[in-house]
Amino acid sequence: SQELEQSPQSLIVQEGKNLTINCTSSKTLYGLYWYKQKYGEGLIFLMMLQKGGEEKSHEKITAKLDEKKQQSSLHITASQPSHAGIYLCGADNAGNNRKLIWGLGTSLAVNP
Amino acid sequence: ETGVTQTPRHLVMGMTNKKSLKCEQHLGHNAMYWYKQSAKKPLELMFVYSLEERVENNSVPSRFSPECPNSSHLFLHLHTLQPEDSALYLCASSLSGGNEQFFGPGTRLTVL
Repeated sequence: SQELEQSPQSLIVQEGKNLTINCTSSKTLYGLYWYKQKYGEGLIFLMMLQKGGEEKSHEKITAKLDEKKQQSSLHITASQPSHAGIYLCGADNAGNNRKLIWGLGTSLAVNP
Repeated sequence: ETGVTQTPRHLVMGMTNKKSLKCEQHLGHNAMYWYKQSAKKPLELMFVYSLEERVENNSVPSRFSPECPNSSHLFLHLHTLQPEDSALYLCASSLSGGNEQFFGPGTRLTVL
């Protein structure tokens, strides 16, 4: 099994719908990073969470960190076609944010 | 515009060729990274340079040779690669001891 599990693996939603992506670590989380990637391109930084219970928002995207559950969730409200892409989480399991462990990603499609 | 550029964007090479990938960051960062992204695998950290010193080398085969001449430039020299080395190679930068990494657009490498 992966050290960092993302679910679901893929998601297709209708424009305007809300959705949630989860990222679960098998180890203690010192930090959790969310990125978005368009196919075949680089990663765009979305948010970083470091403290249990922390919640951050950027436009219509909100991320939360549940330190006890070693889990983070990314929630998109009123999805738009521009939200389509691959969402990746990266975890700092060692207090070394230069050496992140990555999930396999969640592929999101938003139908107009 | 992420402030991290990579060239070339696409590269096709034979197993006996020697080529180099280039990465340049314009963000004033002092740590730079090489990652390999293959289909259905998590992002793999290859090398990390901090203050121009290699601080991470994740058991990467010697046919990959990194070079960091200064804090703004990072190279990945390739020689006698194998077809399984075909992947998207991503460069990233950050502030040493800082948090989020900023990624370049990647080089899509195909080894024939």
